[in-house]
Amino acid sequence: EAEVAQSPRYKITEKSQAVAFWCDPISGHATLYWYRQILGQGPELLVQFQDESVVDDSQLPKDRFSAERLKGVDSTLKIQPAELGDSAMYLCASSYGGYDPGEQYFGPGTRLTVT
Amino acid sequence: SQQGEEDPQALSIQEGENATMNCSYKTSINNLQWYRQNSGRGLVHLILIRSNEREKHSGRLRVTLDTSKKSSSLLITASRAADTASYFCATDALNFGNEKLTFGTGTRLTIIP
Repeated sequence: EAEVAQSPRYKITEKSQAVAFWCDPISGHATLYWYRQILGQGPELLVQFQDESVVDDSQLPKDRFSAERLKGVDSTLKIQPAELGDSAMYLCASSYGGYDPGEQYFGPGTRLTVT
Repeated sequence: SQQGEEDPQALSIQEGENATMNCSYKTSINNLQWYRQNSGRGLVHLILIRSNEREKHSGRLRVTLDTSKKSSSLLITASRAADTASYFCATDALNFGNEKLTFGTGTRLTIIP
């Protein structure tokens, strides 16, 4: 069964350093999502792509976070510089997209610890 | 921001018992979904119920939706140790052309063998 791939699974970085996460969605899925999940809370959407275009980045802290999906397939989320409050699980998900995208398929996540 | 709130925040039951968790939300929705998350892992989709549906079943799962009360419930029957996980409701708001999910705060379910 096809899965969403994410790497790395774990990342420890010092504050003020740059960090990047990678996501490869299920083949054929037009919509890709990046979520941040703080321990004990539900996932919160950071950015949503439809193919290579951003359709929602209203919750993305644009002074330090950036996301791209250049060819409409895999995607990279970057944080520069990292802050202590960025410690969280970063989840990538994908769906067929369109008018009624239905369920989302999640990757295993990247757990980020900023020291 | 969290659209939905699950209740209770945590639930412990004996294996074999039924588990019920509830979700309340604030705005009109297109559909509501339930997801499971095992500790430290990604989320797994369980079931989707549309705004014009009142009840849906999938295996040992039963979901109800009351749009007048803006609430949903998830029932897991004959619980198993493997059901230990966090359960989240997620609402797909009426925002045509830009569907996105807003997740609740989750219920942590522990099944005691």
